[in-house]
Amino acid sequence: EAGVVQSPRYKIIEKKQPVAFWCNPISGHNTLYWYLQNLGQGPELLIRYENEEAVDDSQLPKDRFSAERLKGVDSTLKIQPAELGDSAVYLCASSLGLRGEQFFGPGTRLTVL
Amino acid sequence: AQSVTQLDSHVSVSEGTPVLLRCNYSSSYSPSLFWYVQHPNKGLQLLLKYTSAATLVKGINGFEAEFKKSETSFHLTKPSAHMSDAAEYFCVVSESSNSGYALNFGKGTSLLVTP
Repeated sequence: EAGVVQSPRYKIIEKKQPVAFWCNPISGHNTLYWYLQNLGQGPELLIRYENEEAVDDSQLPKDRFSAERLKGVDSTLKIQPAELGDSAVYLCASSLGLRGEQFFGPGTRLTVL
Repeated sequence: AQSVTQLDSHVSVSEGTPVLLRCNYSSSYSPSLFWYVQHPNKGLQLLLKYTSAATLVKGINGFEAEFKKSETSFHLTKPSAHMSDAAEYFCVVSESSNSGYALNFGKGTSLLVTP
């Protein structure tokens, strides 16, 4: 069974540029999560989807971050414009239902110069 | 809000010796607790979880953890370390709400295993 797929694995951009990350969850998993992991820290939830509906986006900085999951399957997380402090690993996870075990992808490591 | 504190940011053990990674939690009621492992360039993997059943929880790869309510602890142990155990370990507590589980991660403990 394929796991959670994320791309790109690495991204280097200059500040003020836009960037997008893509996530494809495990087949059949209707719940999808985006986490932010700063260096030396544990992941922190940014947004949680149930199918195509964002059920918890309270931690998403909406001035520059946006996310979508149009067909309830794969998802895109965007930052525009990127700031130096956005350098981190962005993790995607999926689960079968809101209370199911979360399976994590390998993450996208973003470096903002 | 529920939270966890991982007491050691780095732990170093020799191969074949026991592993102890310490975690204390803060919760106003019976929590669900987890340990995740993160190998370099790989996704987080669930090692084990406690959800108010047996207080001694066995996980994958020989790891286990004991829930001690009186000490508000959930320490992770393994009798004999293997080189492949070198990784980052996260203690996690979940908050349950109408919108599901929110996982609150600790800051992580980096385990180094030396030959």
